[in-house]
Amino acid sequence: QKEVEQDPGPLSVPEGAIVSLNCTYSNSAFQYFMWYRQYSRKGPELLMYTYSSGNKEDGRFTAQVDKSSKYISLFIRDSQPSDSATYLCAISGKSRGGNKLTFGTGTQLKVEL
Amino acid sequence: DTGVSQDPRHKITKRGQNVTFRCDPISEHNRLYWYRQTLGQGPEFLTYFQNEAQLEKSRLLSDRFSAERPKGSFSTLEIQRTEQGDSAMYLCASTEAGGPPGELFFGEGSRLTVL
Repeated sequence: QKEVEQDPGPLSVPEGAIVSLNCTYSNSAFQYFMWYRQYSRKGPELLMYTYSSGNKEDGRFTAQVDKSSKYISLFIRDSQPSDSATYLCAISGKSRGGNKLTFGTGTQLKVEL
Repeated sequence: DTGVSQDPRHKITKRGQNVTFRCDPISEHNRLYWYRQTLGQGPEFLTYFQNEAQLEKSRLLSDRFSAERPKGSFSTLEIQRTEQGDSAMYLCASTEAGGPPGELFFGEGSRLTVL
């Protein structure tokens, strides 16, 4: 079983739609939960991070963590064509590896006009 | 732009050849990471430096792989006797100790194609 499971998509939505992206993880020792965005042929960039169960909002983006069910989500409101990218969930725990992250496979999102 | 810089961006080589990638992190960052990403997959951790010390290596890093960060600034990742399975994007990331636990700044990657 992979430590992080993520539906690879692709996911295609019309402009203005609400997008829901999800991941599950297996190890309850993980404490830090991140979403990265990766445009084609670019490196990933951090979109949001959260360290506790509950919701965290940043503009059109909301990250949600449910530690009891080991489930993390990213919601995108009023989606735009510029949101078209691959979204990677990432998790981390305390270790010698500092910010060693375990990534999901990524969900490819396309927002169409 | 003083982001993470990687060189070369794309390398095509024949099986059995050696290749070396270079990463220049953000100047004030003392932690440097190497990840590998294959098509349709998320990045996988390879190794991590704090200053010049290599603190952790993944089991993915076989004996053919070696990474260095001699002066605690730039880093190199060398792959000896390349195999077709080594074809991937090699990503470098940096961060500063004490920063948010999940925050890494990635370069644009070095894409390796082994023929």
